[in-house]
Amino acid sequence: DAGVTQSPTHLIKTRGQHVTLRCSPISGHKSVSWYQQVLGQGPQFIFQYYEKEERGRGNFPDRFSARQFPNYSSELNVNALLLGDSALYLCASSFSDREYTGELFFGEGSRLTVL
Amino acid sequence: AQKVTQAQTEISVVEKEDVTLDCVYETRDTTYYLFWYKQPPSGELVFLIRRNSFDEQNEISGRYSWNFQKSTSSFNFTITASQVVDSAVYFCALSEANYNAGNMLTFGGGTRLMVKP
Repeated sequence: DAGVTQSPTHLIKTRGQHVTLRCSPISGHKSVSWYQQVLGQGPQFIFQYYEKEERGRGNFPDRFSARQFPNYSSELNVNALLLGDSALYLCASSFSDREYTGELFFGEGSRLTVL
Repeated sequence: AQKVTQAQTEISVVEKEDVTLDCVYETRDTTYYLFWYKQPPSGELVFLIRRNSFDEQNEISGRYSWNFQKSTSSFNFTITASQVVDSAVYFCALSEANYNAGNMLTFGGGTRLMVKP
C-alpha cells in the first residue's frame, strides 16, 4: 500500500514568490495535517483538515493557507515567501480527525529553499 | 501552553550500549497524549509509541522501552543494546485530548542519536 506521498520533494524559490505543495494521504485516511520543520528543530503544526474542513491552525501568518479536496488530498500554499520559510514541509494523514485515536503517518516531506 | 523539552541535542554511543533519551513536558490539561517518533535521514517521521495521561505503566517493545512518570512530567525512551540502524533523530511530542486540538502535536527539539559500530 502506498504511504503518504508529497510533491515536489525539493524546490527552490526566491523571496516574494508563491509556492504550492501537494500531499496525497494513505488510502482511506480522511485527515491531513501539515507541519513545518526548520533545520535542526522539531516540526511545528501549521494546519489540519478533515473532510475538507479546517480543524486546526497553528501560529502561522495568513500567508499560509491550505485546502483539502474531495479525494482527501491536500495543498499547502505559501504566499510572499520569506527567507525564514525555508524548511522541510511534512504532511501527515490519519483516519480520524482526532490524532489520539490513531497515530499520524508522515510523508518524506517537501524541502523548500527560499533564496 | 504546551511545551516539550528534549535537553539532549545529540548523543553518541557505541553499538550494544544502552541509551536513554530524555523528554520533559508541560501542559495544563489533565488528559493528554505523549508520543515518540523516529526521523531517519529520509525525512519521514515514524511513529514509535503513544501513551495517554492515565496510563503510567511502563512499556517494552523489543529493544525499546518507555518510562512515563507524571510526577516529574517525563516520558523517557530507552534503547537497549543499540544498533547502527537506530541512528536517527528522535522526537518526543504531546497532544491535548480535546476536539479543538485536532491533530496538533507539539514536538520537542529532537535528540540526534549516533550509534557507532
